[in-house]
Amino acid sequence: DMKVTQMPRYLIKRMGENVLLECGQDMSHETMYWYRQDPGLGLQLIYISYDVDSNSEGDIPKGYRVSRKKREHFSLILDSAKTNQTSVYFCASSFSGGQNTLYFGAGTRLSVL
Amino acid sequence: TQTVSQSDAHVTVFEGDSVELRCNYSYGGSIYLSWYIQHHGRGLQFLLKYYSGNPVVQGVNGFEAEFSKSDSSFHLRKASVHWSDSAVYFCAVSADAKLTFGGGTRLTVRP
Repeated sequence: DMKVTQMPRYLIKRMGENVLLECGQDMSHETMYWYRQDPGLGLQLIYISYDVDSNSEGDIPKGYRVSRKKREHFSLILDSAKTNQTSVYFCASSFSGGQNTLYFGAGTRLSVL
Repeated sequence: TQTVSQSDAHVTVFEGDSVELRCNYSYGGSIYLSWYIQHHGRGLQFLLKYYSGNPVVQGVNGFEAEFSKSDSSFHLRKASVHWSDSAVYFCAVSADAKLTFGGGTRLTVRP
């Protein structure tokens, strides 16, 4: 079953708290992504991971870090969350190469108060 | 740097109408172009993609898109929409593993 699973689906945190968003995929995809989606801005790439411990900054990496210790699992970490990090976060995965289809998770709606 | 723009933030049509959602891109080299659909509260789902060959590509659920190098466009079309086609549609461009998405077009299909 081809699936990208994100946990949790909804999260409320206070400013300054640490946040961990988890993503898993069961397709053995090499490449995984974290995007955030804000109204009117579409999707913005935060980080991309080409495989285990092979991560690269996207367009808006400031305030975020990632961890990929297993091919099927990719985490997004917010150290000391800020209110402007309130957003919907999407994880995606694909086989390597830009020509390949991205498979998206259902998203995590994060509110930082 | 690759960029993609979707000029229409909202499009409203009636069930059975045809629709065209516009997408323009800028990039100097070879690129992959694709369309994704997002239903309310869900993640994005792949519709179709183009890299080379026939400029008209067919996707799922009767969608097709046409690539034009001269216009730098990759517009999405459907001949007869259904209410279930109501969603946000994203055009995307990639030259490597990084996909750049447009701002999206919200399609509303009225009964």
